[in-house]
This record gives sequence, structure tokens and C-alpha cells, in this order.
Amino acid sequence: GNSVTQMEGPVTLSEEAFLTINCTYTATGYPSLFWYVQYPGEGLQLLLKATKADDKGSNKGFEATYRKETTSFHLEKGSVQVSDSAVYFCALRTRGNYGQNFVFGPGTRLSVLP
Amino acid sequence: EAQVTQNPRYLITVTGKKLTVTCSQNMNHEYMSWYRQDPGLGLRQIYYSMNVEVTDKGDVPEGYKVSRKEKRNFPLILESPSPNQTSLYFCASSLSVGEQFFGPGTRLTVL
Repeated sequence: GNSVTQMEGPVTLSEEAFLTINCTYTATGYPSLFWYVQYPGEGLQLLLKATKADDKGSNKGFEATYRKETTSFHLEKGSVQVSDSAVYFCALRTRGNYGQNFVFGPGTRLSVLP
Repeated sequence: EAQVTQNPRYLITVTGKKLTVTCSQNMNHEYMSWYRQDPGLGLRQIYYSMNVEVTDKGDVPEGYKVSRKEKRNFPLILESPSPNQTSLYFCASSLSVGEQFFGPGTRLTVL
């Protein structure tokens, strides 16, 4: 079946450090890929997405590139801020004959220290 | 404002007492879904619905029921809650293609 694997957290960085959160997936067909962010006490919000190979999603300084050859969608940011402290979820969506299926990774908690 | 709403946001109940968590979206989305979030396990899908009167099991459906009588509403029903259903629950909706929009979450404690 489809699955998403993320690097285990928590990840603790100093402000202005470079961030990478690894995400790899297993899926049949050609999934769409997403990064969601969950701030403390809130629901998940879409951060960025990519729908086909070599697409780059970007938002709020975060980027991720859909790499079909390595089945990866790593999240990066050049300079993190304290306000980026949150839990980040990698997810995929596939479409079949009977509709769509979403699968989420376990989440990676990021703490950014001033 | 486009949104997904859930009620209640917090609930403490006892084993065996039936409860319903409501979910409503105002975006005319066909697809709706329920997830539970537990530490170390991420989000696991409970049930989903492709449209009115069309529902199907997700990865962890045991102990839950859903219904989709109207497009905007997708309630989650726990007929006889047990302590292992203590969790944070999220409702989400989307068009038939595209990303999901999440509600704010319902924190349920079953004593």
C-alpha cells in the first residue's frame, strides 16, 4: 500500500539556521505530494504542494521538489524563524477508480530557538 | 470565510456513553474525511466520504460510524466509546482533486 516516511524528530535549530526535513514515499501511480504544518493548538494547514515530477512547491520561504527518481519530497528553508516552530507533515494523494486516498507521514516536530 | 468547523472542540466523557462530533464545511466540497492524531502515530484516517451517501472505511474504522446525508455535514459517531478512543480528532474536506482543508480539531477524553 501507499506510505510516507519522515525523519524522526524533534528537530531543534537556532534562529536563521538551514532546515531540511526528509520525506520519502511509496505509492502506486503518480501521487500528488503535500507538506502540511500544524501550529500548537491548531489544525493542519497546507504549506505547499507539487502535483507532478520535478515540480517545486514553495511558500513562506519553504521549498520542496518532487523527485520521482528518489521518491522524495524533502522540505527546506534557508533561514528558520522562531515562528516556524510547529509540527510538519508530509502527505501524498493518489487517485483511483473509486476516488482519492490521502496518506500522511508521522510528523516532524521543529523547535526554533532564539 | 471558507472553513471547516467541528464541535465540540473539547469533550470529556465516560466509557459507553454515545457521542457525536459534528463536522461542517461551507466550500461545497465533495470529499470529507475523519482522522485521529495520536503521539508518535501521526494522522490515521478513520472514515471518508466521496459524496452524499457514499462513505468508506479508512485505516482505523473500528468503533466509529459516520453518515453523509448532506454535502456539507459529516458527523463522527462513537456508539460506545472506550478509553482507547481518547485522541485528537480532525475533520477535513476537499474537492475531488486538490488539497484537504482541516478543521480545528476535537480533543476527546474517554474515562
